[in-house]
Amino acid sequence: DGGITQSPKYLFRKEGQNVTLSCEQNLNHDAMYWYRQDPGQGLRLIYYSQIVNDFQKGDIAEGYSVSREKKESFPLTVTSAQKNPTAFYLCASSIITYSNQPQHFGDGTRLSIL
Amino acid sequence: GNSVTQMEGPVTLSEEAFLTINCTYTATGYPSLFWYVQYPGEGLQLLLKATKADDKGSNKGFEATYRKETTSFHLEKGSVQVSDSAVYFCALSTGNTPLVFGKGTRLSVIA
Repeated sequence: DGGITQSPKYLFRKEGQNVTLSCEQNLNHDAMYWYRQDPGQGLRLIYYSQIVNDFQKGDIAEGYSVSREKKESFPLTVTSAQKNPTAFYLCASSIITYSNQPQHFGDGTRLSIL
Repeated sequence: GNSVTQMEGPVTLSEEAFLTINCTYTATGYPSLFWYVQYPGEGLQLLLKATKADDKGSNKGFEATYRKETTSFHLEKGSVQVSDSAVYFCALSTGNTPLVFGKGTRLSVIA
């Protein structure tokens, strides 16, 4: 079955440490996205990518970095510069970023601070 | 800019009650509108969508009609079940931009 796989499901970060969240899709989608979800805040866009080797900042990119070396992969690094990283992180993909195409979501990674 | 406003939750209903979750939007251009559902500990799943005025999206007994004149896309279901307990997100997209989400409405259905 096609879908989006996020790993790990739970992740713990120590102070000053960078951590990387994995997102892989086998849907042959061009566009991929990272969102952060906090209680009562809905989803906020961190980064998105429309094609390989290209990505754009979303609303809350500070303290995060991404890469898009392969169509099927869009890893997110939470750097030590992100002072409040505890949240639920969701990866999504879509055929292209046209308005009538829905996004497909992974099951998320919950990041906590040790 | 684009934005979505949903009614504040949580919403608590008895089984078989009628559900309405209000959603209004502000958009430049002509948006497509979506409802997503999130069950505990999971990602979001597309529930339904509408891409032009007066379109009605429907799925699993849920419906929403794209009302351009009132810039609304309210979610309704005639008879909710315990299994409908989840968080519901209204979202929009215009042109080639990513989805913009509302803050979500938590629904709890009690037997």
